[in-house]
Amino acid sequence: GESVGLHLPTLSVQEGDNSIINCAYSNSASDYFIWYKQESGKGPQFIIDIRSNMDKRQGQRVTVLLNKTVKHLSLQIAATQPGDSAVYFCAEKTSGTYKYIFGTGTRLKVLA
Amino acid sequence: DSGVTQTPKHLITATGQRVTLRCSPRSGDLSVYWYQQSLDQGLQFLIQYYNGEERAKGNILERFSAQQFPDLHSELNLSSLELGDSALYFCASSVVGLSSGNTIYFGEGSWLTVV
Repeated sequence: GESVGLHLPTLSVQEGDNSIINCAYSNSASDYFIWYKQESGKGPQFIIDIRSNMDKRQGQRVTVLLNKTVKHLSLQIAATQPGDSAVYFCAEKTSGTYKYIFGTGTRLKVLA
Repeated sequence: DSGVTQTPKHLITATGQRVTLRCSPRSGDLSVYWYQQSLDQGLQFLIQYYNGEERAKGNILERFSAQQFPDLHSELNLSSLELGDSALYFCASSVVGLSSGNTIYFGEGSWLTVV
């Protein structure tokens, strides 16, 4: 269903460490997935995407892993920096439908 | 800068009033999406248009309506406003709608405060 939730899960990591943010998606027919970063008071910003015919995709300092068996998506951020502090959302889409469904979001806090 | 433009950035209005939020999609994008985000909440999908036609509807109240014009810009109309309508309203756009592999890009949002 649609994303809801008053209290976002929070992940606190030390600067320089790697971060792993997880997302469980809802529809086994979903074939396209996106990760977004949202800083306070700003719009969600595209980070990386992956299609269902792939298990892994790498970008600059970020890697997305897709496990279709358990409907799980993860975002790995290497060498986490203070500027990475934000809320991260995953989104899923199914070909043939118009709607993108967003996860609840995870707040990432980077500790100096 | 995503290329999606939203106006106004901030809006304060009284209960019972009506407001219109405007969105210009990225150049070439035919699909426009509207989302609502309340404090510390996720993105609630409201409605989506493709090339002027409504294609998908989410949790949009009857007091709210939207349209997409021939020039592809979109407006979200919120009427009989209540305190609970205070939120960030985001517009997003993508090239097409049905096909997967089309990223949607968000604007910076319109902050609506109902007092």
